[in-house]
Amino acid sequence: GQSLEQPSEVTAVEGAIVQINCTYQTSGFYGLSWYQQHDGGAPTFLSYNALDGLEETGRFSSFLSRSDSYGYLLLQELQMKDSASYFCAVRDQAGTALIFGKGTTLSVSS
Amino acid sequence: GAGVSQSPSNKVTEKGKDVELRCDPISGHTALYWYRQRLGQGLEFLIYFQGNSAPDKSGLPSDRFSAERTGESVSTLTIQRTQQEDSAVYLCASSATGDTEAFFGQGTRLTVV
Repeated sequence: GQSLEQPSEVTAVEGAIVQINCTYQTSGFYGLSWYQQHDGGAPTFLSYNALDGLEETGRFSSFLSRSDSYGYLLLQELQMKDSASYFCAVRDQAGTALIFGKGTTLSVSS
Repeated sequence: GAGVSQSPSNKVTEKGKDVELRCDPISGHTALYWYRQRLGQGLEFLIYFQGNSAPDKSGLPSDRFSAERTGESVSTLTIQRTQQEDSAVYLCASSATGDTEAFFGQGTRLTVV
């Protein structure tokens, strides 16, 4: 089976940078994904890492280290609208279920 | 359709009744997932369908829960003899294949009274 660990809450101010960590345990490994969910909304895809290193998409970046079974989501130039829950998710092989962590609630204040 | 569609959006049912939740995935998506999300909690995996393969039912919490999918289209999640602890948002997602990003529906909020 798979298990994922991420902090339950993170707080930051507008304009700051925040990093949300995720460690995982899987029998195999087929990529680490990140999803964002606003209160009352549906989760939406943010990023996917299959190989080690940093993937950058605008203000958001995601990092993976397969040897450490670790990844993080980096959010820069935080805005109030970034207040949401962020979930990391893994598959242990292609064509299998996507398993999510318990989520990190990010609160951005002015 | 343009996105994943779930119905009903809200369902209130009496304890002990059966409920059926529906998910229409994005056309052409072979993979379909069901998750349960209790208030303020994470996404709890329930069941996964991938093409014509046998579904992965490892997340179903009890034999009161079952799901079906017709080919690569509609899926229904059935909960029999509902209990109060079944109250949650049930989310459906689909993806083009078994290893690409998942697109979620808005969910069905189930309240068991």
